[in-house]
Amino acid sequence: NAGVMQNPRHLVRRRGQEARLRCSPMKGHSHVYWYRQLPEEGLKFMVYLQKENIIDESGMPKERFSAEFPKEGPSILRIQQVVRGDSAAYFCASSRAQVTGELFFGEGSRLTVL
Amino acid sequence: AQKITQTQPGMFVQEKEAVTLDCTYDTSDPSYGLFWYKQPSSGEMIFLIYQGSYDQQNATEGRYSLNFQKARKSANLVISASQLGDSAMYFCAMTSRDSNYQLIWGAGTKLIIKP
Repeated sequence: NAGVMQNPRHLVRRRGQEARLRCSPMKGHSHVYWYRQLPEEGLKFMVYLQKENIIDESGMPKERFSAEFPKEGPSILRIQQVVRGDSAAYFCASSRAQVTGELFFGEGSRLTVL
Repeated sequence: AQKITQTQPGMFVQEKEAVTLDCTYDTSDPSYGLFWYKQPSSGEMIFLIYQGSYDQQNATEGRYSLNFQKARKSANLVISASQLGDSAMYFCAMTSRDSNYQLIWGAGTKLIIKP
């Protein structure tokens, strides 16, 4: 009974490197959401994807950040040329349909930028 | 614009007492949903309870209940008979058509249950 799987759980990068975070939704879920949580804060919506489509990326920074959810394989959140301010926990959630009910969250990926 | 406010950054409660965690919200959309999530120190987000804006009765799930006061725009979480394992961060969140059905989150309340 696999839930939402995120990896890596912890990632350390130096400034200027790239970070790739992966998310496999729950079985049967085709809607994926990425959220960012800064220390001592709540979650901030970044992007909502369905298979092969970005539905809403209104919370995603315009530069350096991108997300995809290919037909096969996990959803990927990619951060290029990371800066210290990118250090945060990145949560992926999935749902069977567009959010009007329960989201199932992964355990998060914690990015530390040195 | 939608907004969720949690005014209690932290709370200490004695074990077995009831706890009320405050949440107020703001939206102009008549149709919305309110959620509470728990985040223990391990980091995962755990869904607790959901209340729809048109639901006639307050939502309940085991020891969790949601005190929904629509006119006041509040959706407080009540935990009865608190346990040590309830120590965690608690987040209130809302979804509505205004937010394109994405979840808008409060800043959270850190709850510590004392033995």
